[in-house]
Amino acid sequence: DTEVTQTPKHLVMGMTNKKSLKCEQHMGHRAMYWYKQKAKKPPELMFVYSYEKLSINESVPSRFSPECPNSSLLNLHLHALQPEDSALYLCASSQGGSASYNEQFFGPGTRLTVL
Amino acid sequence: KNQVEQSPQSLIILEGKNCTLQCNYTVSPFSNLRWYKQDTGRGPVSLTIMTFSENTKSNGRYTATLDADTKQSSLHITASQLSDSASYICVVRPYNFNKFYFGSGTKLNVKP
Repeated sequence: DTEVTQTPKHLVMGMTNKKSLKCEQHMGHRAMYWYKQKAKKPPELMFVYSYEKLSINESVPSRFSPECPNSSLLNLHLHALQPEDSALYLCASSQGGSASYNEQFFGPGTRLTVL
Repeated sequence: KNQVEQSPQSLIILEGKNCTLQCNYTVSPFSNLRWYKQDTGRGPVSLTIMTFSENTKSNGRYTATLDADTKQSSLHITASQLSDSASYICVVRPYNFNKFYFGSGTKLNVKP
């Protein structure tokens, strides 16, 4: 199984709502990532979890809260978002560590719209 | 400063023609470089991955080259198809660090 799954595919939420994005992989990868991608731009790194611990937080606003319940799951909790947070949110995973062929596998993304 | 730059920003070619996309990077110490294809609104899909010791790698009609001395890579697409229309992103990973540096991508449009 070389797949990263994300749910939901689409999400529309108001600025006062609380919602969560979910990501799952069963490749035994120990590093998991959240990216935000605006139209016609490359993905921007938000968070990295390595061995279930938060290792990189790219100065993301606190209205985005990541969680890694176990090595296969990664959540992104959303609260009090702004319309400019509307974007494609991508989850990715990789083996972790220093292996030369440490490759990222991406999920299909969640298209988020904040009204 | 670790950077990845791609050119051209966008490209239009006729179906059946070949094209070459460029990627220059300053990421150090270098571990690997990968090319991804991303359809609009979808997650990136890996095409090739190369370490510093590899000069070329092919995946069907896609051939990537790497010159680790000049820190340049190219992606050559042979006999383009309409389904090749997508963004192509160059991503470089430094050694022993779980962070990947993305280029801005090249938007390829293959026309009939």
